[in-house]
Amino acid sequence: DAGITQSPRHKVTETGTPVTLRCHQTENHRYMYWYRQDPGHGLRLIHYSYGVKDTDKGEVSDGYSVSRSKTEDFLLTLESATSSQTSVYFCAITPGAQETQYFGPGTRLLVL
Amino acid sequence: GENVEQHPSTLSVQEGDSAVIKCTYSDSASNYFPWYKQELGKRPQLIIDIRSNVGEKKDQRIAVTLNKTAKHFSLHITETQPEDSAVYFCAAFFGGANNLFFGTGTRLTVIP
Repeated sequence: DAGITQSPRHKVTETGTPVTLRCHQTENHRYMYWYRQDPGHGLRLIHYSYGVKDTDKGEVSDGYSVSRSKTEDFLLTLESATSSQTSVYFCAITPGAQETQYFGPGTRLLVL
Repeated sequence: GENVEQHPSTLSVQEGDSAVIKCTYSDSASNYFPWYKQELGKRPQLIIDIRSNVGEKKDQRIAVTLNKTAKHFSLHITETQPEDSAVYFCAAFFGGANNLFFGTGTRLTVIP
């Protein structure tokens, strides 16, 4: 499973509260990604990182921020969660060739 | 803009029959096309990928074909088995955006 873990695996929160999801990898991969998965939309990229402190926006970045202070951790923060951010969030890494991506186990987030 | 279209959205086949899923992409410069299988409640798993310098790739009962001129690629599963039942996603790497874009998925059901 490419040495990727995500925490928490499940979370229920209330509208307006901040939420941080963590992606952790053990193999010093340079590229890391955050996706959200919603019915009818497939997987959509939120943000990605190409190194420590190097991040860029994806297709659906509004309402999300990220940080990468260590190679092994990529954090996704919802500053003020909204019901539209209820989703399953997947982290991914690229082990070598930039294009090939492997996914973490996912975090199921429910915003009430 | 970048876009990947996937058809059909649902597909039912009898065990032992073949299944074909088709995707089209918008960027003629795309050069990498992976396919993922996702079982219920699990992470997407890479099952096969193809690069633009080849037209077809096989791995046991799974094959992918690529037509760069028409900008479409297809997943072929032969001798389907109940354990092939899952949601399948195609994706294309867009160099301009420096990332993968995913289709919306095909739910394959193999009827025993």
